[in-house]
Amino acid sequence: GAVVSQHPSRVICKSGTSVKIECRSLDFQATTMFWYRQFPKQSLMLMATSNEGSKATYEQGVEKDKFLINHASLTLSTLTVTSAHPEDSSFYICSARGPGSTHGYTFGSGTRLTVV
Amino acid sequence: DAKTTQPPSMDCAEGRAANLPCNHSTISGNEYVYWYRQIHSQGPQYIIHGLKNNETNEMASLIITEDRKSSTLILPHATLRDTAVYYCIVTNTGNQFYFGTGTSLTVIP
Repeated sequence: GAVVSQHPSRVICKSGTSVKIECRSLDFQATTMFWYRQFPKQSLMLMATSNEGSKATYEQGVEKDKFLINHASLTLSTLTVTSAHPEDSSFYICSARGPGSTHGYTFGSGTRLTVV
Repeated sequence: DAKTTQPPSMDCAEGRAANLPCNHSTISGNEYVYWYRQIHSQGPQYIIHGLKNNETNEMASLIITEDRKSSTLILPHATLRDTAVYYCIVTNTGNQFYFGTGTSLTVIP
């Protein structure tokens, strides 16, 4: 079945630095990937839609200059949290749709970001 | 925005059937009902989906009312490993998933 891999699974960074999170579709090509953020005891919030070869589409209220998304290939999308602050600490999850799949989207295992 | 309403929490005895309801009264004709679950600190896992007819797979059954305004996910024999947050999502194929608050299911030994 379709597998989506995220890396790293956990990252701790200092306030003011940038962090890059990778989302890879391992056995299929994904023209579209999605990035979510989840705070403790809350639901997943869609941040942006990542389109291969074009600019990402951001949800209302999500700062595109702070959360840089690059989808340069059909198997890789990256999310860079720039100038991270403690309030950016969260669980970040990506998803992608497998080819010919009717099973909605496959989700990565998530990245736990802690900004200190 | 999420188009679904689910109870915030439910308990179920181990070995019994867990019936999780979802209200989606504004669903449109070409929107599917998807169910996912999320075990703590993991990505959501696909369970089942349907359009109009009831569906069954190795994990669960999905019962959709005739007017499609609500549905019920049934885990026939709940185990402790089924403890998770269950999300009901309504969307067109290929569109974004917007998650609601989900139902936190606790399976009790």
